Amino acid sequence: GENVEQHPSTLSVQEGDSAVIKCTYSDSASNYFPWYKQELGKGPQLIIDIRSNVGEKKDQRIAVTLNKTAKHFSLHITETQPEDSAVYFCAASKEYGNKLVFGAGTILRVKS
Amino acid sequence: ETGVTQSPTHLIKTRGQQVTLRCSSQSGHNTVSWYQQALGQGPQFIFQYYREEENGRGNFPPRFSGLQFPNYSSELNVNALELDDSALYLCASSLGTGNSPLHFGNGTRLTVT
Repeated sequence: GENVEQHPSTLSVQEGDSAVIKCTYSDSASNYFPWYKQELGKGPQLIIDIRSNVGEKKDQRIAVTLNKTAKHFSLHITETQPEDSAVYFCAASKEYGNKLVFGAGTILRVKS
Repeated sequence: ETGVTQSPTHLIKTRGQQVTLRCSSQSGHNTVSWYQQALGQGPQFIFQYYREEENGRGNFPPRFSGLQFPNYSSELNVNALELDDSALYLCASSLGTGNSPLHFGNGTRLTVT
């Protein structure tokens, strides 16, 4: 089955700097790659997603890139703010929105 | 638009007992998925319900079962609770299967002692 690895496990950045989180997946049939943000005491919140027919997607300060050949995808957050501090999860699946396989998460700390 | 709601928020049970967790899907969503999130880990897919039937299951034993009702709400039942069942149980809803992203509720924190 699918296996998703996520790095780094923790990331500390200074406010205003950029943060990059990387994930690799094992199943070449996966074609949907969402990113979720989870704050303490809350459920995961979808922040951006990408499907395999697109190499890059951007939404304001957040962007995701996908390299299907290498089977890896990355989350880029620019101009980080203290409210970006949270746990971020990548995921992969063979169907849009179905049966997601998650990475282990990255704790992002933005220092002001 | 009403988001995904789950109840209860917290629950403490004893090993061997049974538990039922409840979920109301986001307005307009007809598909419900359940995930288990152990402390410090990513969520793991348990199963999905669509049109009141199980539509896919992850690597969980049969003592994990579910239901979906005509109003699209759902229940997760766990029998013969084990200590390792202690986790955050997340419900997520979507429109159809393979048609829209998943939106999660805030989960039920289950502690088994």
